[in-house]
Formats: sequence, structure tokens, C-alpha cells
Amino acid sequence: DTEVTQTPKHLVMGMTNKKSLKCEQHMGHRAMYWYKQKAKKPPELMFVYSYEKLSINESVPSRFSPECPNSSLLNLHLHALQPEDSALYLCASSRIRGRGTGELFFGEGSRLTVL
Amino acid sequence: GESVGLHLPTLSVQEGDNSIINCAYSNSASDYFIWYKQESGKGPQFIIDIRSNMDKRQGQRVTVLLNKTVKHLSLQIAATQPGDSAVYFCAAPRISGSRLTFGEGTQLTVNP
Repeated sequence: DTEVTQTPKHLVMGMTNKKSLKCEQHMGHRAMYWYKQKAKKPPELMFVYSYEKLSINESVPSRFSPECPNSSLLNLHLHALQPEDSALYLCASSRIRGRGTGELFFGEGSRLTVL
Repeated sequence: GESVGLHLPTLSVQEGDNSIINCAYSNSASDYFIWYKQESGKGPQFIIDIRSNMDKRQGQRVTVLLNKTVKHLSLQIAATQPGDSAVYFCAAPRISGSRLTFGEGTQLTVNP
């Protein structure tokens, strides 16, 4: 079983809805990540948090808003999404190393469908 | 920037055979590589990593080979089992250590 827990596993939302994806880890990792994965494609990095501060935003549209309330939790707030935003959203965590992130621990993802 | 790619999108092998999954990269300055396995309906799972000061690293039934001259790495799975059926991604940090870039992935199918 993965040690990174994501909820909900499935989410269907309309383009005017506001929803949130949640991620939790208790491995003491101080780096947390959001990735987006389309069908039959590799994961693409969206955001990185280091020590609860946003360190990387890969030019993600503002309709995606990340939040890291504490070292164990990571949220992704969704508002006014488009159908092309439908994808599997993966959360991951890792130790912070001096060079290279090493192993990322992924959750099982939240599959989002935007109607 | 970093580009990480795989040679074949699919690979089909017989149970018990050895599997070899290949990956090429473009940035000669890349010094760290990781292989992930993603089963259907799950998130990617770390398999093995290798640093550029090594040519080979072995794990349980898996071996990663790194050829820096031709910027190529491979994942070898010994005695492939049905449970090895998954998509395999090679990955490398881009720009900074936190930007992990994944290759396109190879779907491995193990036939009984």
C-alpha cells in the first residue's frame, strides 16, 4: 500500500464548480509535489513544495491553486476548469536532498473528469 | 533542457524471459537517473536509480545499465513475471533536482 494517500479517488465536476484534491503523507518528507498525467502519457510536474513553501510552479494556469497547510498535507484547489484538464492528478513526496530528489513516493492519484 | 525518451512504446515477452527496456537522454550533464513502474490504476513506483559515476547497478531481479558515451540507459528485468506487466518510465532531474522529467514510457506485457 502506498504511504501517500490521495482523496478523492475519482471526481467529476462541471466547469463552474469549485473542488479540492487532497494529499497526505506521514513519512516526514518535507518536499511534496503535484503531477498531472494524461492517458498513455508520462506524469508532468505542476508544483513543488519544499518546507511548506511553494518552490516550483511549472507555469500552471491559475485555475489550479496549490496549498500546503502543514508538512503532512497538500491540497490542490480547482476552479473554473476546462474539459482538457481531465486527467489523473498525482501527489508525491520525497526527502529533501542536497542534489537530486531521489525517490519520489507517489499516491494512487485522483482521476478528475471535467464536464 | 533535459529530454528523456524511450525507444519502444510497447514490449511483449514470455513469462520467464528476460526483459530489456531502453531509454535515451539528451543532456550530457545529467548525473542521476531513476526507473519507475506504473501498474494500471496506480501511481508510479520507484524501482531503482543510478548516478552517473556508475555504469551498472543491481537490485532484486533488476539491473540498470548506464552508457554515458551514447547517453543511454536500460532496465533489465530477469525472469519476467506476470506481475511485472506495467508501464516503465525512466526519469531524470531537469535544471534543478526537484524537476523530475519522465520519459514517454514503455508498456511491458508478460505473456503466460
